[in-house]
Amino acid sequence: NAGVTQTPKFQVLKTGQSMTLQCAQDMNHEYMSWYRQDPGMGLRLIHYSVGAGITDQGEVPNGYNVSRSTTEDFPLRLLSAAPSQTSVYFCASSYRLVLGGGHTDTQYFGPGTRLTVL
Amino acid sequence: GQQLNQSPQSMFIQEGEDVSMNCTSSSIFNTWLWYKQEPGEGPVLLIALYKAGELTSNGRLTAQFGITRKDSFLNISASIPSDVGIYFCAGKGTSGTYKYIFGTGTRLKVLA
Repeated sequence: NAGVTQTPKFQVLKTGQSMTLQCAQDMNHEYMSWYRQDPGMGLRLIHYSVGAGITDQGEVPNGYNVSRSTTEDFPLRLLSAAPSQTSVYFCASSYRLVLGGGHTDTQYFGPGTRLTVL
Repeated sequence: GQQLNQSPQSMFIQEGEDVSMNCTSSSIFNTWLWYKQEPGEGPVLLIALYKAGELTSNGRLTAQFGITRKDSFLNISASIPSDVGIYFCAGKGTSGTYKYIFGTGTRLKVLA
């Protein structure tokens, strides 16, 4: 298994440009999510998906769109890039673990995309 | 947004020493994850905890799910230079919630 893959690794955009960050996983995980990582801020959730066709907003969704047409892919779209979106973006996937009386999940991350918006 | 309180923020230790770090939250969690991140890489899962009081080891690493369900601890025994990196905790609340909350990280530097 390749695990979670992300492309591109690096990207430079001009303000106002749009682009799509790609994320794919080959582990048949139900859940996928996008985070951004800024210095001193840890990781913040942008959007997530609990299955094909289902997405929801995280902590910092403004300026980003997502879709989940297949289990494997979860692209993140920047509609009109702004310098505030300069960050490292991580995609993660996880499977549901059934425990007595409930369930939980464990996340695995991709290698990241480093985005600079000028 | 809500974040976990992770401490210490950074630490320098001598090779061979033991290391302890912790995360605390105002909310009850049902899952705690500990990750290590090296420069230019994504976080790598070290240990997952699912039950209050649980103690789990992964080689020289041991993590515990606090009894109150509001904290977790990570210990590294006999540190080596390759332990250098940033360690993150992440917690998740009720089982119906998918959203993980991340700590701000503990930056570990090991002096040979």
